[in-house]
Amino acid sequence: DGGITQSPKYLFRKEGQNVTLSCEQNLNHDAMYWYRQDPGQGLRLIYYSQIVNDFQKGDIAEGYSVSREKKESFPLTVTSAQKNPTAFYLCASEGAYNEKLFFGSGTQLSVL
Amino acid sequence: KQEVTQIPAALSVPEGENLVLNCSFTDSAIYNLQWFRQDPGKGLTSLLLIQSSQREQTSGRLNASLDKSSGRSTLYIAASQPGDSATYLCAVSDEGGSYIPTFGRGTSLIVHP
Repeated sequence: DGGITQSPKYLFRKEGQNVTLSCEQNLNHDAMYWYRQDPGQGLRLIYYSQIVNDFQKGDIAEGYSVSREKKESFPLTVTSAQKNPTAFYLCASEGAYNEKLFFGSGTQLSVL
Repeated sequence: KQEVTQIPAALSVPEGENLVLNCSFTDSAIYNLQWFRQDPGKGLTSLLLIQSSQREQTSGRLNASLDKSSGRSTLYIAASQPGDSATYLCAVSDEGGSYIPTFGRGTSLIVHP
């Protein structure tokens, strides 16, 4: 079945540590997105990529980094510069304009 | 910059009621609008997508309407069931935002037996 896989489901970060969240899709979608969700809040855009080897900052990119070396993969690194990383992180992909957005099951990141 | 607002923030209804969730947006030059469902601790599932040229979309007991001129969309759920309990979010894509979906904060729905 086609879909988006996020891993791990739960992740714990120590102070000063960088951690990487995985997002893989087998839908052959060009566009991929990373959103952050805090309790009771909507989704805020961190980074997005509309084509391989290209990505753009979203509204809250500070303290995060991404890469898009393959069409299927869009990993997100939460760096030590992100001082408040505890949140639910969602990856999404989209095939073309006016197509539905597909989401992964999310990664809950917490600080030890 | 597009802003999306959803009212009410929370809703609790008895089983069997018909209900309406509201979504408003500030820039009416949209490309499409989507309604999503999110269960606790899970990702989002797309329910309905309305293109800018459309007025409504239907899927089973769900009906979503779009009025671009007033900057509003409604999600109508008929004959609500306990299994409908979830958070419902709307997202708007527009040309000014490079077609990137902008989300509202959602409406948390509880349908009690």
